[in-house]
Amino acid sequence: EIVLTQSPGTLSLSPGEGATLSCRASQSVSSNFLAWYQQRPGQAPRLLIYGASSRATGIPDRFSGSGSGTDFTLTISRLEPEDFAVYYCQQYDSSPPTYTFGQGTKLEIK
Amino acid sequence: QVELQESGPGLVKPSETLSLTCTVSGDSISSSDYYWGWIRQPPGKGLEWIGNIYFTGHTNYKPSLESRVTISVDTSRTQFSLRMFSLTAADTAVYYCARFGREAVGGYYFYYYMDVWGKGTTVTVSS
Repeated sequence: EIVLTQSPGTLSLSPGEGATLSCRASQSVSSNFLAWYQQRPGQAPRLLIYGASSRATGIPDRFSGSGSGTDFTLTISRLEPEDFAVYYCQQYDSSPPTYTFGQGTKLEIK
Repeated sequence: QVELQESGPGLVKPSETLSLTCTVSGDSISSSDYYWGWIRQPPGKGLEWIGNIYFTGHTNYKPSLESRVTISVDTSRTQFSLRMFSLTAADTAVYYCARFGREAVGGYYFYYYMDVWGKGTTVTVSS
């Protein structure tokens, strides 16, 4: 099973600053089957990025994803107050089909 | 606009069986474009995929849960369901249903990301 490790565990920043969140896989993620989600308190997760770098419908362009193989990054430019939340990465392995999540990065207001 | 809504008991006794249903509106559960599945989140913890199902009835399960889980689909009622057996306190969590979107790679489709989620339902396992 591929294990995803997210860093940092908590990131303290101010609105207007940029954020860089990391997701490292224990083995190469095939075909960049890597997604990012945002979860605000008391809410369900929301898809931000799929295919490592494709923004989901309705996601602002201040969110961007990059990376391949074992190292992936979610970048948020110009943080808005509503961006302070927990972010999860998730990968898919096709043989057999399984889905695993990272442990999450909490983005908090400094 | 597609919406998913979970329903089921909020409290289940240890060793008993959990039954949850997800009702899909605004989309066809019989579409070949998606799988449909379940994810859970214990209090204060991260997300765990449980399993998913295609409209044909084909299922995938997390290996460590496979012996205790059954997912089924009722296309006539646009619903899919989760049954989890032999519950313990460790199964206490918010349970989400979700739609799994696909991408074509090398002539094959891979359903690998969750693009629509229900609001979640809290399940507590306690006597």
